[in-house]
Amino acid sequence: NAGVTQTPKFRVLKTGQSMTLLCAQDMNHEYMYWYRQDPGMGLRLIHYSVGEGTTAKGEVPDGYNVSRLKKQNFLLGLESAAPSQTSVYFCASSYPRPPPGELFFGEGSRLTVL
Amino acid sequence: ELKVEQNPLFLSMQEGKNYTIYCNYSTTSDRLYWYRQDPGKSLESLFVLLSNGAVKQEGRLMASLDTKARLSTLHITAAVHDLSATYFCAVVAEYGNKLVFGAGTILRVKS
Repeated sequence: NAGVTQTPKFRVLKTGQSMTLLCAQDMNHEYMYWYRQDPGMGLRLIHYSVGEGTTAKGEVPDGYNVSRLKKQNFLLGLESAAPSQTSVYFCASSYPRPPPGELFFGEGSRLTVL
Repeated sequence: ELKVEQNPLFLSMQEGKNYTIYCNYSTTSDRLYWYRQDPGKSLESLFVLLSNGAVKQEGRLMASLDTKARLSTLHITAAVHDLSATYFCAVVAEYGNKLVFGAGTILRVKS
């Protein structure tokens, strides 16, 4: 029972480099989310998806792009990484009822941008 | 825009003592979640509060929801060291499609 799996778990980038974080869930959930966690700021929503082929912006979407080509996968891309994007990124998924249902989180991906 | 505020942000308490963490939110919502996070780990769901007056209890933790006051509380009874963690509340926003999280309360229980 894998649940929500994030890859990679750790990554160091140089400013301007690009990368993609992959989130995969095996619970057949409709809703998926990408959050970032910074000290003293809780979790802030970057983008989310309510179903395959759909995405929407959250609180802090600038500098990120996402895609949900398959129901089980939600990708988060950084086209040109900046030091301000150093953070821990969490993916989560949930059923839509009640909307949203309880969120199940991945283990997190720690990204450092130098 | 929904704002969620927790207080205190840091709580250091002695084993055996009681204390309460507060979660206030700014717009109408009838659903609230509490999560626990251990250092370097993911978030674990503790409670789902689905209606006004809802009360849930698990061991030494009890959560309640007052939707009229836009307030939830997480009460800790006779704290033990194992409860040391960061606790987040999260409130449903925007037609129920997403959760907005508070900043978290870091709880340290001292022996």
